[in-house]
Amino acid sequence: QTVVTQEPSLTVSPGGTVTLTCASSTGAVTSGYYPNWFQQKPGQAPRALIYGTSNKHSWTPARFSGSLLGDKAALTLSGVQPEDEAEYYCLLYSGGWVFGGGTKLTVL
Amino acid sequence: QITLKESGPTLVRPTQTLTLTCSFSGFSLSTSGVGVGWIRQPPGKALEWLAVIYWDDDKRYSPSLKSRLTITKDPSKNQVVLTLTNMDPVDTATYYCALSTSHRIAVNWGQGTLVTVSS
Repeated sequence: QTVVTQEPSLTVSPGGTVTLTCASSTGAVTSGYYPNWFQQKPGQAPRALIYGTSNKHSWTPARFSGSLLGDKAALTLSGVQPEDEAEYYCLLYSGGWVFGGGTKLTVL
Repeated sequence: QITLKESGPTLVRPTQTLTLTCSFSGFSLSTSGVGVGWIRQPPGKALEWLAVIYWDDDKRYSPSLKSRLTITKDPSKNQVVLTLTNMDPVDTATYYCALSTSHRIAVNWGQGTLVTVSS
């Protein structure tokens, strides 16, 4: 069974840039896993940000971007805003869906 | 406008079977590429995918819970039903349903429903 690993926590200053990563226990993450990224704020349902590695939904702010970085999927936030403080989850598709453990992003 | 809403019991006794219904509008589960999935989140913990059912009745389950899960759909009622047998206190969680279209996974989410397992 695939295990997806994310950084447990990261801290970034307002206006800064931060990259969150998503690794698979089965090997390199490729576009064939269709990496998806979600943002969740306390007390709210998750919100989809990125699909298919790097595609943004119509509501996704331009400062969010997805990519493959080495053997991982990555979510980069450029020009971080205070409202970006949240938990971020990646999901990989491998027949079924597998969520990562989440990254708690603190903006400080 | 796409909406999804989960419904079901808020309290379940250990060993009982949980039945949750996802009622949706704004899309059809008869449309090619469309699927509805279930995800849960124990208090203070990470998201966990449970199951997904697609327009063509293809069903996928979490390997760790497969023996306990059943997912079905009724497109005419715009509903998807999830059952989870032999409930245990560790199954206490907020349960979400979500829409997927092709590989835009979980694009739209319901508000979630908290299910507590306790005697």
